[in-house]
Amino acid sequence: ETGVTQSPTHLIKTRGQQVTLRCSSQSGHNTVSWYQQALGQGPQFIFQYYREEENGRGNFPPRFSGLQFPNYSSELNVNALELDDSALYLCASYGATSGGDEQFFGPGTRLTVL
Amino acid sequence: QKEVEQDPGPLSVPEGAIVSLNCTYSNSAFQYFMWYRQYSRKGPELLMYTYSSGNKEDGRFTAQVDKSSKYISLFIRDSQPSDSATYLCAMTRTGANNLFFGTGTRLTVIP
Repeated sequence: ETGVTQSPTHLIKTRGQQVTLRCSSQSGHNTVSWYQQALGQGPQFIFQYYREEENGRGNFPPRFSGLQFPNYSSELNVNALELDDSALYLCASYGATSGGDEQFFGPGTRLTVL
Repeated sequence: QKEVEQDPGPLSVPEGAIVSLNCTYSNSAFQYFMWYRQYSRKGPELLMYTYSSGNKEDGRFTAQVDKSSKYISLFIRDSQPSDSATYLCAMTRTGANNLFFGTGTRLTVIP
C-alpha cells in the first residue's frame, strides 16, 4: 500500500503567476482534501474532491481551484499568486479503507511567492 | 474566536519526562478528535484518533477527550528526543468534510 504523494516538493513563483500542485491519493482512497498551512499555523481547509467533483470548500477565493481525476489523483491550481499564498500545501486522502475522519496527509509542497 | 485553541508553546522537557499537550474547542458538535505529529518541513502524521469522550492508549501515548469541558489532551510517557516535533490537534463533526486544526504545539525533548 502506497501513501499519499505530492509534487513538486518545493516551488518558487513570483506574484501574479499561476501554479499547479499535484497529489496522488493513498491506494484505495477516493476522497482528497487540500489544506494550506502557513508558517507557525495549523492547516486550513481549502476544498475537498470526491468522485471528481468538489465536495465542500473552505474560506478561500475562487482563484484557488482544483481537479480530481478518475484514478483519484488531484490537482490544486492557484491563479494570480499573492505573497500571502506562500505556505505548505498539504493533500490528504481517505476512503473506504479508513474512517471518513482519518485523513492521511502527504509530505506537502512548499510554495514561496516572491 | 477560533473554533480550536492550542497553546503554541514552545515546550521543552528533559528526556523521560511526561508531556501533556492540550486543546480546547468551542463547537459542541465535534465528535471525532485526532492528534497529528509533524516533523519540520514534513506533512502531519496521524498519531491518535478518538471518537467522542474517553481515553485511548497506544504505547507511550494516551489521548483523552472530555466533551463536557470541550477539552482534549495528549500525554506522552517516557518522552524521547525522537518525539521532538510539532503536535497538532484536529477535530470534526459527523457529516463534515474537513478537519479543524489547532495551531500546533512545538515540543523539544532534550537528551
